Amino acid sequence: NAGVMQNPRHLVRRRGQEARLRCSPMKGHSHVYWYRQLPEEGLKFMVYLQKENIIDESGMPKERFSAEFPKEGPSILRIQQVVRGDSAAYFCASSSDRANTFGSGTRLTVV
Amino acid sequence: KNEVEQSPQNLTAQEGEFITINCSYSVGISALHWLQQHPGGGIVSLFMLSSGKKKHGRLIATINIQEKHSSLHITASHPRDSAVYICAVVSGGGADGLTFGKGTHLIIQP
Repeated sequence: NAGVMQNPRHLVRRRGQEARLRCSPMKGHSHVYWYRQLPEEGLKFMVYLQKENIIDESGMPKERFSAEFPKEGPSILRIQQVVRGDSAAYFCASSSDRANTFGSGTRLTVV
Repeated sequence: KNEVEQSPQNLTAQEGEFITINCSYSVGISALHWLQQHPGGGIVSLFMLSSGKKKHGRLIATINIQEKHSSLHITASHPRDSAVYICAVVSGGGADGLTFGKGTHLIIQP
């Protein structure tokens, strides 16, 4: 069991480009959470997904951000038209019975 | 909305010392997590608690539901314990996503 896999580990994007972050949950986990850690700040909840459903996206910025967890394949966090303020570490966690397992994160740098 | 407070914010100790990190929250929860974030940024889940006490190696976590308080203890601390320790709670209802404390930066000096 490889755990929660996130890729890429590091992503550099120019302002205005799109960023796609991938998360493959642990085998058997059908719940995926995305969190963002801004520089010098704590982790913040963004979105909670189950297969093919967004359960709660109350922590997602209203514009430019979207997330999906298709029937097949990884969960994707997509950020359109990135800005410098999007630079952060984005963590994915999958859970079963509320035991969260975190991925190693994707560090997004917008230049 | 649950407010999660951790103390201390920063802690430097000598190798071998007994370490205590505290976490308090404002609203009743269904579970509390202690997480460790390494200098490289990766996050490891140490404990998930809903009551009582758990022990894993040199780490002990306790929770008092009535007082809305949890502690993480490290016995015989070692420089490799240097990390950020984060308390996170599940408030129940809604997303079941975690609400995080700001973390405790722990440095263990040899």
